[in-house]
Amino acid sequence: QVQLQESGPGLVKPSQTLSLTCTVSGGSISSGGYYWSWIRQHPGKGLEWIGYIYYSGSTYYNPSLKSRVTISVDTSKNQFSLRLGSVTAADTAVYFCARDRDPEYNFGSGKKLSGMDVWGQGTTVTVSS
Amino acid sequence: DIQMTQSPSSLSASVGDRVTITCQASHDISNYLNWYQQKPGKAPKLLIYDASNLETGVPSRFSGSGSGTDFTFTISSLQAEDIATYYCQQYDDLPYSFGQGTKLEIK
Repeated sequence: QVQLQESGPGLVKPSQTLSLTCTVSGGSISSGGYYWSWIRQHPGKGLEWIGYIYYSGSTYYNPSLKSRVTISVDTSKNQFSLRLGSVTAADTAVYFCARDRDPEYNFGSGKKLSGMDVWGQGTTVTVSS
Repeated sequence: DIQMTQSPSSLSASVGDRVTITCQASHDISNYLNWYQQKPGKAPKLLIYDASNLETGVPSRFSGSGSGTDFTFTISSLQAEDIATYYCQQYDDLPYSFGQGTKLEIK
């Protein structure tokens, strides 16, 4: 089955750029019907959706982070990535990648699905000098 | 942005109890709502999609209902392994937004 794994530095200095990669295994990132999302969770807090990308490269970013966020996809490596610029301590969080089912897609026999059904285990990123 | 408000924020119940969590959207979101379970130190897990559809492999004691602005998530008979934080999430409009979570504990 499809699995996702986040990777990247666990420590980033203030004002620098946080870079994470999510590697997809057990399936193709280019298969239709899925968006590929990034979500974060501040320590002891709830979930914040950062944005997503489709395999074609189309993206949507949460306006709260839009000026600092870039999500990209590398279909040849079956990976998608997150870059968050000008980080501060407020960006310290656990970062998750997730597969997000496109609710408009026909998954067969007219079946429509939604929701983020596969998640990576999460990676902790601390912003500190 | 659509605001999602869950209640209660925490809940203590006994094994075998019926547990209900509510989620209210700031705008009509039809049935574009999902529910997740998150255990400590783990990633969230999708339980319910489209307000009332049980995700494959999820026990039938979990259920969801509602449409418009008011939604309910129910565990019909609480099991010890259900201890977790539960989140609702709307996908009617971008950006997606989550409720603040309901932490469920065993009494």
